[in-house]
Amino acid sequence: QSALTQPPSASGSPGQSVTISCTGTSSDVGGYNYVSWYQQHPGKAPKLMIYEVSKRPSGVPDRFSGSKSGNTASLTVSGLQAEDEADYYCSSYAGINKGVFGGGTKLTVL
Amino acid sequence: EVQLVESGGGLVQPGRSLRLSCAASGFTFDDYAMHWVRQAPGKGLEWVSGISWASGSIGYADSVKGRFTISRDNAKNSLYLQMNSLRAEDTALYYCAKDMNYDSSGYLAVDHWGQGTLVTVSS
Repeated sequence: QSALTQPPSASGSPGQSVTISCTGTSSDVGGYNYVSWYQQHPGKAPKLMIYEVSKRPSGVPDRFSGSKSGNTASLTVSGLQAEDEADYYCSSYAGINKGVFGGGTKLTVL
Repeated sequence: EVQLVESGGGLVQPGRSLRLSCAASGFTFDDYAMHWVRQAPGKGLEWVSGISWASGSIGYADSVKGRFTISRDNAKNSLYLQMNSLRAEDTALYYCAKDMNYDSSGYLAVDHWGQGTLVTVSS
């Protein structure tokens, strides 16, 4: 049960789009459509942004979108805004009643 | 309003035990799976354990399997984590988390989080 692989950092200017990847294996990301994405601001609890690969909970702006291809899931943030600056984590079902998170990506809005 | 309130954290010596509790309110507790997720200081999120609505599906991270036990009492709207043989690397903020699903301990679609309870393992 290894952590999913995310780039440590990502950045973009206001109004631009940025995509964060989350790479696993066929035993987790590639094997199930149970990939979620979370946003965490410093000192705060995480917030669910995407679940089941591409579904958005109510209240999450449609600037946030998710997708998956093979063993890699992606979170795209379009029309970057200053408040999007945060840490982002992916998670996935890993089979046999287990879950797993990615290592996290720090998104900087330049 | 969904509320998850953790308690039971504190400073404990290596090898000792601690029991965390989570009091849930604002939703039908026995309709949802629940998780414990931890975050070491300055580090990322780590899934610790999950339990389905009726405790029929339970899972643990490899790092805690055999040492930690998750349980729930649906009559008391409460989630628990019994932590034995604690190690320094268990030091973290422990979050109680509600899943959107009911039937798996590992789907990890967590739509509500508590504020966490800090566990520090040190001599």
